[in-house]
Amino acid sequence: GAGVSQSPSNKVTEKGKDVELRCDPISGHTALYWYRQSLGQGLEFLIYFQGNSAPDKSGLPSDRFSAERTGGSVSTLTIQRTQQEDSAVYLCASSIGASGDGYTFGSGTRLTVV
Amino acid sequence: DQQVKQNSPSLSVQEGRISILNCDYTNSMFDYFLWYKKYPAEGPTFLISISSIKDKNEDGRFTVFLNKSAKHLSLHIVPSQPGDSAVYFCAAPRWGGKLIFGQGTELSVKP
Repeated sequence: GAGVSQSPSNKVTEKGKDVELRCDPISGHTALYWYRQSLGQGLEFLIYFQGNSAPDKSGLPSDRFSAERTGGSVSTLTIQRTQQEDSAVYLCASSIGASGDGYTFGSGTRLTVV
Repeated sequence: DQQVKQNSPSLSVQEGRISILNCDYTNSMFDYFLWYKKYPAEGPTFLISISSIKDKNEDGRFTVFLNKSAKHLSLHIVPSQPGDSAVYFCAAPRWGGKLIFGQGTELSVKP
């Protein structure tokens, strides 16, 4: 597609359940990033994939969070045993290289944990 | 450790006037800065950038100023339009291409 696609756009889940969020980056973009924006907060870095290199997981808030990127394209962010504080908008972005110049973001997944 | 800070959560400006959004940073190793704009229910979109070898970059109504000695940058929008109402984030790349974002400033331009 022309842009970064994220699904679902909205997800409501019960506390303790697992959720999977999907990101389809722009074709040919080697770098893929996950961020989240909690209510009233800025964009918090979660994880970064660049080509075949080991991902930078330094932003993942706990071991309940994991992500993978299959075939260098689609990425899935998994949150296990969701907690209310996980409620946020989860944003995926991709870029051509690793310069940090001009990400293209998806519209995000709004996760609500009840 | 908030390396990029936007201390004003909101700003309200009259249409046609100038909007000035501020951003401070603490890491003197940052050599490139970007501004993103975000509308509700959409992802942020890239707006304008500046390299640390410059002190000003202009693109139409948008100008970014960089003061390296003060570790401060600002985004000027002149003239402001109601369609500029959005949340503006400043950001700086760390090693590996990861962007560090500020908290954002919500701009409201009133007709």
